[in-house]
Amino acid sequence: QKEVEQNSGPLSVPEGAIASLNCTYSDRGSQSFFWYRQYSGKSPELIMSIYSNGDKEDGRFTAQLNKASQYVSLLIRDSQPSDSATYLCAVNALPGSARQLTFGSGTQLTVLP
Amino acid sequence: DARVTQTPRHKVTEMGQEVTMRCQPILGHNTVFWYRQTMMQGLELLAYFRNRAPLDDSGMPKDRFSAEMPDATLATLKIQPSEPRDSAVYFCASGLDPTGNTDTQYFGPGTRLTVL
Repeated sequence: QKEVEQNSGPLSVPEGAIASLNCTYSDRGSQSFFWYRQYSGKSPELIMSIYSNGDKEDGRFTAQLNKASQYVSLLIRDSQPSDSATYLCAVNALPGSARQLTFGSGTQLTVLP
Repeated sequence: DARVTQTPRHKVTEMGQEVTMRCQPILGHNTVFWYRQTMMQGLELLAYFRNRAPLDDSGMPKDRFSAEMPDATLATLKIQPSEPRDSAVYFCASGLDPTGNTDTQYFGPGTRLTVL
């Protein structure tokens, strides 16, 4: 079982719709959770971080965290074609003595005009 | 506008050659990460430094890869000898870790390596 799992997609939504991206993780000790956006041929770009259970909103983006169920999600409201990218979920894992991020394989999102 | 910089942006080399990739972390950041990204494996952590000390390089093939931080403004990743399977995009990321908890990481633009 992978430590951080995401549906690879592709996920297609029409412009203006809500895109919902999900991520589950295996390490119950994880404390920090991140969503990165990666456009084709570009580097990952941080868009959201969340540390506590519940929702965190930033503009059109809402991150949701449920530590009991070990999942984190990202909602994109009023999706735009410019949101088309791969979204990477990252979790602060604790292998040994080093604290570092473990990334999921990413979900490819396409917003159709 | 503080950014992580990486050189070269693209590198094409022949199998058996040495490849050196460089990274300049954001000024003031004390953690540096090297990742490799391929279509098949996704984003894999190769090495992790904090305050220039290597903390984890378990993801790195030891026989051919080496990572160093000669000073706080430069991190290097070397492959010697290179092999076609090393073809990938190599990202450097940096972050600020004052409490011992690795947190937000900022990625550089990457080095796209092709080994023929």
